[in-house]
Amino acid sequence: DAGVIQSPRHEVTEMGQEVTLRCKPISGHNSLFWYRQTMMRGLELLIYFNNNVPIDDSGMPEDRFSAKMPNASFSTLKIQPSEPRDSAVYFCASSLEGQTNEQFFGPGTRLTVL
Amino acid sequence: QQPVQSPQAVILREGEDAVINCSSSKALYSVHWYRQKHGEAPIFLMILLKGGEQKGHDKISASFNEKKQQSSLYLTASQLSYSGTYFCGTRVTGGFKTIFGAGTRLFVKA
Repeated sequence: DAGVIQSPRHEVTEMGQEVTLRCKPISGHNSLFWYRQTMMRGLELLIYFNNNVPIDDSGMPEDRFSAKMPNASFSTLKIQPSEPRDSAVYFCASSLEGQTNEQFFGPGTRLTVL
Repeated sequence: QQPVQSPQAVILREGEDAVINCSSSKALYSVHWYRQKHGEAPIFLMILLKGGEQKGHDKISASFNEKKQQSSLYLTASQLSYSGTYFCGTRVTGGFKTIFGAGTRLFVKA
């Protein structure tokens, strides 16, 4: 298995621009998680889906952030408009909840907003 | 609420042992341990479920005391490859939400 795939790996954009991060979970996994990691705030859970349905989005910072999971093999995290404080590494992780519950993390997207 | 990890950082010589602690103010269902190397994604180490179990993985083991809402990760005879940041993640009953601690930075030197 290729593992969790994220794209792009690096994104540099200017303040005010729209940013879309993409994730392909491991085939057969039923849950998908979006995390943000910064030095100041550590590893924060933004939102998670179970069977493509958003279960808990309480970690989404504000309305500028949105996430979708149109099918079992694809999810996006969108920031519109982006701000410099959104600069971070964004990880997507997937798991087979109810079985092993082990989360497999993707390589992350390093976002820099200028 | 974020679990509290201690110590924040530790430096070891190869072959020495270390203990990393994780405590929560909430009643826990499970504790998850991950290791992250610089510039890489977190990698799963082990999960401990409610029931006070203890697990081992090579020379890395962990315990979970549900009454005290605490877990400890034990690294025995540390190797250079153990260097990285160790995170504990906690879950309460009835959810998939894992809340991660701030991490413990472990550096093993030759």
